Amino acid sequence: AAGVIQSPRHLIKEKRETATLKCYPIPRHDTVYWYQQGPGQDPQFLISFYEKMQSDKGSIPDRFSAQQFSDYHSELNMSSLELGDSALYFCASSLRQGGDTEAFFGQGTRLTVV
Amino acid sequence: KQEVTQIPAALSVPEGENLVLNCSFTDSAIYNLQWFRQDPGKGLTSLLLIQSSQREQTSGRLNASLDKSSGRSTLYIAASQPGDSATYLCAVGYSGGSNYKLTFGKGTLLTVNP
Repeated sequence: AAGVIQSPRHLIKEKRETATLKCYPIPRHDTVYWYQQGPGQDPQFLISFYEKMQSDKGSIPDRFSAQQFSDYHSELNMSSLELGDSALYFCASSLRQGGDTEAFFGQGTRLTVV
Repeated sequence: KQEVTQIPAALSVPEGENLVLNCSFTDSAIYNLQWFRQDPGKGLTSLLLIQSSQREQTSGRLNASLDKSSGRSTLYIAASQPGDSATYLCAVGYSGGSNYKLTFGKGTLLTVNP
C-alpha cells in the first residue's frame, strides 16, 4: 500500500538559507499535518491543512510557511534558517472522517542547519 | 489543552522479561490512541491504534489497552528481545475544535539487554 512520501530525506543548509520540504500524502487523503521533532524531543505539531486550506496552527515560527496544493501534496517552506531549526520534520496524512480518523506518518526529513 | 504523559521516561530490562509502558492523557474526549516505535534518528513506526470505542488491540507480542474514562493506556510487551530496544511514543488523537489533532507524549526509552 502506498504510504506518505517525504522528500528530501536529508537536507543540509547553512544559517540564513531557505529550505523547502515536500510531502505527498496517501492517495485520497485530504488532510496533511506537519510535525517538528528536535533532538531528544517529542514531535511537536506545526500546522495542518484540510482540502487545501489551513485547518490548524501549532507552534510554527513566522519564518515558516506551508501550503497544500491542488493535488493534495504539501510543502513546508523555511526561511532565515537558524541552528535551532535542525530537527526531524514529519508529515502525516489522514482522511477526515470524524472518529475513525487515523494519521499515517512519513519517514521524515532530517534537516541539519550548519 | 490535551497533555500526554509517559512513564517511565526510560526502562532497562533483561531479555525475556515482560514489561509495561504507561501513557496518560488529561482530556478523555479522544478519538483514538496510537503507539509508535522510533529507533534513534529514524521515523515513526506505528505499532497499534486503539479507537475510543475499543478496550485493547493486539499485534504479536504487543498488547495495548485503553481506559478512556481514567485517561490511561498501557503497552504490554511480552518476552522482550534486544531488537525491541527503541523509544516508544504514545499519541492521542482528539478533536481540537473541528479538527483532528494528534498530541504526543515524550516517550519511553526502552533498552533490552541480551
